[in-house]
Amino acid sequence: GAGVSQTPSNKVTEKGKYVELRCDPISGHTALYWYRQSLGQGPEFLIYFQGTGAADDSGLPNDRFFAVRPEGSVSTLKIQRTERGDSAVYLCASSSRQGSGTQYFGPGTRLLVL
Amino acid sequence: DAKTTQPPSMDCAEGRAANLPCNHSTISGNEYVYWYRQIHSQGPQYIIHGLKNNETNEMASLIITEDRKSSTLILPHATLRDTAVYYCIVRDQTGANNLFFGTGTRLTVIP
Repeated sequence: GAGVSQTPSNKVTEKGKYVELRCDPISGHTALYWYRQSLGQGPEFLIYFQGTGAADDSGLPNDRFFAVRPEGSVSTLKIQRTERGDSAVYLCASSSRQGSGTQYFGPGTRLLVL
Repeated sequence: DAKTTQPPSMDCAEGRAANLPCNHSTISGNEYVYWYRQIHSQGPQYIIHGLKNNETNEMASLIITEDRKSSTLILPHATLRDTAVYYCIVRDQTGANNLFFGTGTRLTVIP
């Protein structure tokens, strides 16, 4: 079956611009996670959704970052007033149940802020 | 969640067993050991997890010491496609929802 998909695969933007990154989880997965991975580092947690609600947003670095999942399926990560330090790979994962350690990751979106 | 310590890099000859160690000396009784790997330019991939018993699946075996303070992931016959960064993660199933990856072990399988 289809795995987690993310679009776009690559995004280049200029400092100060707004970007949206999309995640399509595995069909039927109620839990959805966003992570960010900088070069040479492991992925770092950003936010977790259970259904439509953000159950844990403790990893969002500041209020320029926001994510939504209005219908409990597709999620969008939104970054306002992008900074060069936001350049990273943004990974999305989903799992079939709340709190599962078995998460299925998408290929990521590579964001480059010039 | 307890912290883990892994060697930064390892080499393994193609066709041989790759044994990747992980120390988690502060692990608590209800924390599981998870292994993921990340092949270059891909998202992380779940491999295996366990609590106290050794586990085996089609990808790998997980050996957890009796005191649970360390574990070893075994790839029985490494191939070039197993070259990746391997992450050992200790996680409480009832606690945080996220995974803490650390920096992992970069395994290079050599032809």
